[in-house]
Amino acid sequence: EADIYQTPRYLVIGTGKKITLECSQTMGHDKMYWYQQDPGMELHLIHYSYGVNSTEKGDLSSESTVSRIRTEHFPLTLESARPSHTSQYLCASSEEGRLNFQETQYFGPGTRLLVL
Amino acid sequence: AQSVTQPDIHITVSEGASLELRCNYSYGATPYLFWYVQSPGQGLQLLLKYFSGDTLVQGIKGFEAEFKRSQSSFNLRKPSVHWSDAAEYFCAVGAGGYQKVTFGTGTKLQVIP
Repeated sequence: EADIYQTPRYLVIGTGKKITLECSQTMGHDKMYWYQQDPGMELHLIHYSYGVNSTEKGDLSSESTVSRIRTEHFPLTLESARPSHTSQYLCASSEEGRLNFQETQYFGPGTRLLVL
Repeated sequence: AQSVTQPDIHITVSEGASLELRCNYSYGATPYLFWYVQSPGQGLQLLLKYFSGDTLVQGIKGFEAEFKRSQSSFNLRKPSVHWSDAAEYFCAVGAGGYQKVTFGTGTKLQVIP
């Protein structure tokens, strides 16, 4: 099982503040992902990365940005938080199996963000 | 593109009873299928996965799932539910390579004494 960490676990912040959600994994996985999940709703992919210096936007449009300077680190930044950004953010990384398309995603514990 | 349907939003079972959570997928080729569990305030934990081979897959915590190609289903089962199984369960399908994994909307399981 992958070791993947997210900080902070909970964050309450005022409108207009800049925030960075941290995600780190120790498994050396090349692929990393950010999902947004609202209560009782499905997961929506907002960003993903296939390796260092690779970042792509996901299916759900998001005002956040990401960077991937190191393999193990995939932070998500909101330049100016708004109440509409209130949600749970889940980070995941994936390994590839014996055949390179057998991918399994492992998730961090999530960050619950509340923007007032 | 692939898709996943979990038709049951909420299921309630008695402790000790058997459980089956339904998952139907849509994909043109052989899919890669997953079940994850999410406890309140937590991330998703992988229960089991199917890539190929035996269509009955054993997972952690006593769960199993059966891949039925003819029915495009990958239902999750447990013979005897424990109170600690109360959580939300997500089915997911992947196509491999650079294709993204698609998650279902989840089924919330409530376990009553």
